[in-house]
Amino acid sequence: GAGVSQSPRYKVAKRGQDVALRCDPISGHVSLFWYQQALGQGPEFLTYFQNEAQLDKSGLPSDRFFAERPEGSVSTLKIQRTQQEDSAVYLCASSFRDRGLLSGANVLTFGAGSRLTVL
Amino acid sequence: TQLLEQSPQFLSIQEGENLTVYCNSSSVFSSLQWYRQEPGEGPVLLVTVVTGGEVKKLKRLTFQFGDARKDSSLHITAAQPGDTGLYLCAGAQTGANNLFFGTGTRLTVIP
Repeated sequence: GAGVSQSPRYKVAKRGQDVALRCDPISGHVSLFWYQQALGQGPEFLTYFQNEAQLDKSGLPSDRFFAERPEGSVSTLKIQRTQQEDSAVYLCASSFRDRGLLSGANVLTFGAGSRLTVL
Repeated sequence: TQLLEQSPQFLSIQEGENLTVYCNSSSVFSSLQWYRQEPGEGPVLLVTVVTGGEVKKLKRLTFQFGDARKDSSLHITAAQPGDTGLYLCAGAQTGANNLFFGTGTRLTVIP
């Protein structure tokens, strides 16, 4: 497709359930990022992939969070044993370049996000 | 923990007024971007500034990167209802793989 596609758009989970959020980046985009955005706040970095390699997972808040991108295209963010504090919008972004943020040449295209509500 | 603090957090103004949003940090950034995000959507890039002191204009929007590359501002002239949204600054640092986003400014322009 022309943009970054995320599914599901909305997910309601009971505390303790596992959830999986999917991201379809723009075809050919090398870099893929996951961000967590609390209501009314700016996004916070979770993890970064360059093709299939997860190069940075320093933002994952706990070992309940796991992300993968096995074939260098679609990515899945999995949250195990969800807690109420996990409620947020999870944003995926992709870019064509593997680096280049420093020059500003690396434009991130964001998906619309997956809104997770944990009851 | 977010490295970039934005002010004000909320701003409600009448159509036609001018406004300035600030993005401040104690850290130095190699480049800084401004995004606008509407409800139910992801952030959309408005501009990138890369040189200390740089000023960029995008129609009624003026963006400035501080001389020390620690802060930035967004000035909107004659605001319109279509400017309503969440404005986010985001900085890139040497050696980092990601963008650090600011705390956000929610702007409402009343017709």
